[in-house]
Amino acid sequence: EADIYQTPRYLVIGTGKKITLECSQTMGHDKMYWYQQDPGMELHLIHYSYGVNSTEKGDLSSESTVSRIRTEHFPLTLESARPSHTSQYLCASSEVGGLENIQYFGAGTRLSVL
Amino acid sequence: DAKTTQPTSMDCAEGRAANLPCNHSTISGNEYVYWYRQIHSQGPQYIIHGLKNNETNEMASLIITEDRKSSTLILPHATLRDTAVYYCIVRSTNFGNEKLTFGTGTRLTIIP
Repeated sequence: EADIYQTPRYLVIGTGKKITLECSQTMGHDKMYWYQQDPGMELHLIHYSYGVNSTEKGDLSSESTVSRIRTEHFPLTLESARPSHTSQYLCASSEVGGLENIQYFGAGTRLSVL
Repeated sequence: DAKTTQPTSMDCAEGRAANLPCNHSTISGNEYVYWYRQIHSQGPQYIIHGLKNNETNEMASLIITEDRKSSTLILPHATLRDTAVYYCIVRSTNFGNEKLTFGTGTRLTIIP
């Protein structure tokens, strides 16, 4: 089992609120990722990081921001949530240097913005 | 990354081996084959991966054809907890290629 944790698992908030989705891993992985997934649909990469102080945008444009101050922690922030942000957010991590680049996922945060 | 083709759905009796096929006829030499599964409402779970040789771990076996154009994931003794969507992914590990493209996968249902 992968040691990657996301909190909260479920979040229901009103429009305009600022929220932070937490993601932590205890595997010492340098690479971390955030994906967005709507029910029954494909995963879309929205942010990733190669290590501390590194953040990159993924394929899907997102109004969220991320930070990487510590290796084990990769939080995602929405400054002003809107109903269009309703989705499942999945965090993943992988090792740097391994040829295979296996990504391990957390359980996800299901966000509903009213 | 090479495109993959999987059956939309499959059923398997509990206790039997579940064999999930995947076609990846455009795979290139530096691309690995990965299998993940996603149980409803949870994050994807890594199962197994391989490059050329057959692989086995505590969860499953991966059989890759000699020409690498197709593969089969085998769950040797399926249980009800193996009901999930299974994704076959072909991907290079080139620097900067970070995205995992999951496609539509195979919905495997284990029948009691």
